[in-house]
Amino acid sequence: IAGITQAPTSQILAAGRRMTLRCTQDMRHNAMYWYRQDLGLGLRLIHYSNTAGTTGKGEVPDGYSVSRANTDDFPLTLASAVPSQTSVYFCASSEGTGGSGANVLTFGAGSRLTVL
Amino acid sequence: GQNIDQPTEMTATEGAIVQINCTYQTSGFNGLFWYQQHAGEAPTFLSYNVLDGLEEKGRFSSFLSRSKGYSYLLLKELQMKDSASYLCAVRDRDYQLIWGAGTKLIIKP
Repeated sequence: IAGITQAPTSQILAAGRRMTLRCTQDMRHNAMYWYRQDLGLGLRLIHYSNTAGTTGKGEVPDGYSVSRANTDDFPLTLASAVPSQTSVYFCASSEGTGGSGANVLTFGAGSRLTVL
Repeated sequence: GQNIDQPTEMTATEGAIVQINCTYQTSGFNGLFWYQQHAGEAPTFLSYNVLDGLEEKGRFSSFLSRSKGYSYLLLKELQMKDSASYLCAVRDRDYQLIWGAGTKLIIKP
């Protein structure tokens, strides 16, 4: 089934630990994104990649890093987790990034992360 | 700053019609999106407006007025499965998506 796969689905993590959230898409979309979703707030963009080999910072990038070695994979790493990073993380992709057309986002199922 | 406003929660009755409003103030405009998100699930795309007017898609319609910075999502013949959060998002002049906090819609029998 075409789409986005995220792993893990859920994780409890001790503060200070390193954690990588995995994201893989099989739609050959050029652009990929990482969002966090917190109660009462809109989705906030952490990092994005317009095409393989490039990445950019979103609205809340501090404490997170990403890489885009190929088209399909876009892992998100928390180098040293803190409790404020407790959230639900969504990976998303789109065929393009702007210009004409909607470039609708397709989302993964999310990764629920709790940092204690 | 950039801002998207939508009601936090709305309640409606099965079979009825509900209108969810969204107002926005953004740096430029390159389209407005509505997504549906069931509890514990990922957002899924509902509609896209880039020109003023009404876009109809089955039971769902979305309206845009760029001069007023306003959109609404209209849901007709409500079904219990429509209970979800509805997210409004605007793409700004840099083609970045700005998201509202979402409107939780509760459908009662």
